[in-house]
Amino acid sequence: QKEVEQNSGPLSVPEGAIASLNCTYSDRVSQSFFWYRQYSGKSPELIMSIYSNGDKEDGRFTAQLNKASQYVSLLIRDSQPSDSATYLCAVRGRSGGYQKVTFGTGTKLQVIP
Amino acid sequence: DGGITQSPKYLFRKEGQNVTLSCEQNLNHDAMYWYRQDPGQGLRLIYYSQIVNDFQKGDIAEGYSVSREKKESFPLTVTSAQKNPTAFYLCASGGQGQDTQYFGPGTRLTVL
Repeated sequence: QKEVEQNSGPLSVPEGAIASLNCTYSDRVSQSFFWYRQYSGKSPELIMSIYSNGDKEDGRFTAQLNKASQYVSLLIRDSQPSDSATYLCAVRGRSGGYQKVTFGTGTKLQVIP
Repeated sequence: DGGITQSPKYLFRKEGQNVTLSCEQNLNHDAMYWYRQDPGQGLRLIYYSQIVNDFQKGDIAEGYSVSREKKESFPLTVTSAQKNPTAFYLCASGGQGQDTQYFGPGTRLTVL
């Protein structure tokens, strides 16, 4: 079982719709969760971080965390063509004295004009 | 401007050569990281350093070496022992005790 799993997509949504990106993780002691956006050929850019159960909103983005289900999601409201990118889920657990960050392989989002 | 810089942006290497990728940050971050990204795979950790003059192997350290002589700099050497070095290399940094990692623009290495 992969430590952090994401559907590779592509996930296609029409412009203006809500895009829902999902991520599951295997390490129950994971403490911190991140969503990064990566445009083709570019480096990842941090969008959101979330640490406790529930929702966290930042503009058009909402991160949702459910530690009991080991599930974290990212909702993008009013999706725009500029949101078309690969979204990486990252989870920070603990490995010895170092809190390792594990990245998923990413979900490719396509927003259709 | 605060940030992380990587150079060069593109690098071509002949088989059997060692090459060094540069990573510099002026964010005053204690921790720095090197990742490798291959198509269809997540980011894989090569090396990390939580403090100057100390670094640890990540998941795929074989064929790579690093140094951390200054807080601002964390260069990565890809040696000839690395069997398949063609990849996108990403450097990241983060504050001590803080979770978040911020990435540089990356170096795309191609072996000819």
